[in-house]
Amino acid sequence: DVKVTQSSRYLVKRTGEKVFLECVQDMDHENMFWYRQDPGLGLRLIYFSYDVKMKEKGDIPEGYSVSREKKERFSLILESASTNQTSMYLCASTRPGTVSGANVLTFGAGSRLTVL
Amino acid sequence: AQSVAQPEDQVNVAEGNPLTVKCTYSVSGNPYLFWYVQYPNRGLQFLLKYITGDNLVKGSYGFEAEFNKSQTSFHLKKPSALVSDSALYFCAVRDQTSGTYKYIFGTGTRLKVLA
Repeated sequence: DVKVTQSSRYLVKRTGEKVFLECVQDMDHENMFWYRQDPGLGLRLIYFSYDVKMKEKGDIPEGYSVSREKKERFSLILESASTNQTSMYLCASTRPGTVSGANVLTFGAGSRLTVL
Repeated sequence: AQSVAQPEDQVNVAEGNPLTVKCTYSVSGNPYLFWYVQYPNRGLQFLLKYITGDNLVKGSYGFEAEFNKSQTSFHLKKPSALVSDSALYFCAVRDQTSGTYKYIFGTGTRLKVLA
């Protein structure tokens, strides 16, 4: 089975701290995504990447950056955390194409970040 | 812009009754449509997808969804609900307009199945 692993399930940080959220997938997927999930707002796309060192802004990129130095790893960075970034962060991956399982997102368990 | 709407924040249904969770979409071109489920404190799990072919798609745990192009809908259904189906359900569409693929999600519908 495809596995997407997020390094931290729960984090508590202080305003202004730099925060790294790590995501690793083990199925050689080309595409990786970072979403945040908030009650009543569903999942909102922050950034995505379709190849190593490639990144594209999603719908809410402000205050975030990403890094994809290796195919299996996609990191989300909060340069200076703020209280309005308190949220559940979900990483996902997939591959495009027509092979079995293509185009289906596989999600990690999520990282719940609290910024005080 | 492509979008997904889930008009109901919550759906309540008695165990054993049929359930429907609604989803409508707005896309250009042929849609790739998905349903995901989220149990408490868990990530999202894939239920089913429509890409092409038969309008009635069958998925995991006895769920199915009907693609209706004229109504731009992709409602999730199950003939007989179980208490264990209680969860948060998300409809999603794949957006291809920018030349790369991103996935747009609805706001989610909480399903409560009452014993």
